[in-house]
Amino acid sequence: DTEVTQTPKHLVMGMTNKKSLKCEQHMGHRAMYWYKQKAKKPPELMFVYSYEKLSINESVPSRFSPECPNSSLLNLHLHALQPEDSALYLCASSPGTSGRAGTDTQYFGPGTRLTVL
Amino acid sequence: DQQVKQNSPSLSVQEGRISILNCDYTNSMFDYFLWYKKYPAEGPTFLISISSIKDKNEDGRFTVFLNKSAKHLSLHIVPSQPGDSAVYFCAASTLKFSGAGSYQLTFGKGTKLSVIP
Repeated sequence: DTEVTQTPKHLVMGMTNKKSLKCEQHMGHRAMYWYKQKAKKPPELMFVYSYEKLSINESVPSRFSPECPNSSLLNLHLHALQPEDSALYLCASSPGTSGRAGTDTQYFGPGTRLTVL
Repeated sequence: DQQVKQNSPSLSVQEGRISILNCDYTNSMFDYFLWYKKYPAEGPTFLISISSIKDKNEDGRFTVFLNKSAKHLSLHIVPSQPGDSAVYFCAASTLKFSGAGSYQLTFGKGTKLSVIP
């Protein structure tokens, strides 16, 4: 089973709203990722969690706040977003147990389609 | 600077024939390469990967070839089927650990494959 689930599937929010995206995996993976993808572009890495600790923040604005409550869950808290933040937000996970970087495979969830009005 | 390049934005192939998708990279530190398939408004689905110690990896109808000296890889799909119509992303990772057990993927811009019945 290589399933990563994401909720909600679609989200429409105003610029003053606070909302959260949720990601879950039960594969025992220890690395989890948030990506943002705009139409006709490749996924752009936002955050990486390794063993529930934030290891990479790709200079993402503070209106995006990640959280990893446990090894199976990853949240992305959204506040005061801009219309240009509208995109497909993808979560991914990888085993994170290989002894050598670059031999893990990342498995993606279906994404949350976010629209900011 | 684009480190992973997919120079063909689109490709059309007749059903039953071979589809060849190409990918070039510039970073000689990349040591693991992956292909993902993506339908609109869905997350990328992992297809096949190859480590830099190999020059070929096969999985059913999908074969990936790696030419390290040319910094080039290709994905062959034989025979192509209408259900293969999607955007295909090439991705690569480096030896550098981003944090214990995690690594960063660099994606190409994707090639849209259309398989004509």
